[in-house]
Amino acid sequence: GENVEQHPSTLSVQEGDSAVIKCTYSDSASNYFPWYKQELGKRPQLIIDIRSNVGEKKDQRIAVTLNKTAKHFSLHITETQPEDSAVYFCAAREGQAGTALIFGKGTTLSVSS
Amino acid sequence: KAGVTQTPRYLIKTRGQQVTLSCSPISGHRSVSWYQQTPGQGLQFLFEYFSETQRNKGNFPGRFSGRQFSNSRSEMNVSTLELGDSALYLCASSTPSNTEAFFGQGTRLTVV
Repeated sequence: GENVEQHPSTLSVQEGDSAVIKCTYSDSASNYFPWYKQELGKRPQLIIDIRSNVGEKKDQRIAVTLNKTAKHFSLHITETQPEDSAVYFCAAREGQAGTALIFGKGTTLSVSS
Repeated sequence: KAGVTQTPRYLIKTRGQQVTLSCSPISGHRSVSWYQQTPGQGLQFLFEYFSETQRNKGNFPGRFSGRQFSNSRSEMNVSTLELGDSALYLCASSTPSNTEAFFGQGTRLTVV
């Protein structure tokens, strides 16, 4: 089945810096790659996603890139703010059917002001 | 429109007991997935249901089971509870055409 590796596990940046989180996946049939943000005590919430027919997607300060050949995708956050502090999870949708997501183990991002 | 609702929010059970958790998806969503979240392992996929049928299953022992009803509400059951089953159990719902998964607040299960 699908396996998703996520790095780094923790990331500390200064306010205004950029943050990059990287994930690799194993199943070449996976075609949907979402990123979720989970604040302490809250549910995971989708912040951006990308499908396998697209190489890059941006939404204000957040962007995701996908390299299908290398089977890796990355989250880029620019001009980080203290409210960006949270745990970020990447995921891949397993195979061609269903909506089950296989998650990476998460990255704890701390943005200090 | 109402979000994904999970009940109960908190549970404390004793080793060896069994537990049933409930998930009501967003109206119109027919797919429900369950995940176990622990500090060391992150979010691990348990199983997915669509139209009352289990469509995918993760790598968990048979003590973990689930079902889905005709109104798309889903339940998961864990029998013979072990200390290691203590976790936050999250369910997520989505429509077939929109792969975005919307999560509930989760049920925090503590096994003592």
